[in-house]
Amino acid sequence: DAKTTQPTSMDCAEGRAANLPCNHSTISGNEYVYWYRQIHSQGPQYIIHGLKNNETNEMASLIITEDRKSSTLILPHATLRDTAVYYCIVRVDGNNRLAFGKGNQVVVIP
Amino acid sequence: ETGVTQSPTHLIKTRGQQVTLRCSSQSGHNTVSWYQQALGQGPQFIFQYYREEENGRGNFPPRFSGLQFPNYSSELNVNALELDDSALYLCASSLASSPGELFFGEGSRLTVL
Repeated sequence: DAKTTQPTSMDCAEGRAANLPCNHSTISGNEYVYWYRQIHSQGPQYIIHGLKNNETNEMASLIITEDRKSSTLILPHATLRDTAVYYCIVRVDGNNRLAFGKGNQVVVIP
Repeated sequence: ETGVTQSPTHLIKTRGQQVTLRCSSQSGHNTVSWYQQALGQGPQFIFQYYREEENGRGNFPPRFSGLQFPNYSSELNVNALELDDSALYLCASSLASSPGELFFGEGSRLTVL
């Protein structure tokens, strides 16, 4: 699976949109981009995934660049409960495992 | 709808002992995966079970083994425990039709002394 690069940590203001970047420059055509988050002392939580089109659900939006080498997860109105480690993962279609890295520690500040 | 439940939540063992961790998958989910998460690291894939058969394995030695039962629940067994086995063990269930959408339990925190 292609490797992803995320910031180690970032702060976001409560009530503002949080834009979480991820680079996956070696991604290939059959690889999906997945986002998970892990709130302290809990198991990871699925957020969203996409292949090449932008995606939106009740939790977040996923913007994938046209060349697919990077993506941004957008939390539209960050709340204190969004403080978590966010993982950007690339998964080959047909592969049954997720390769979590160290993720991006996001802290939402009042 | 019942989520993924794991037991026990915490346990302490000594080196050389054996441990069994249990997982009940979310209702309707036929696939179970196990991950190990060391402190400060992301989860690492151990193995996955589908239809009671191992369906992929990560870079873990054979002393890590598992089972899946007809009701899709699962066990993770670790023999000859080592200090480095101290970690949070996470179980996740999913549908075979949506392999990347995992639903995780809260984990079992294992400490090996």
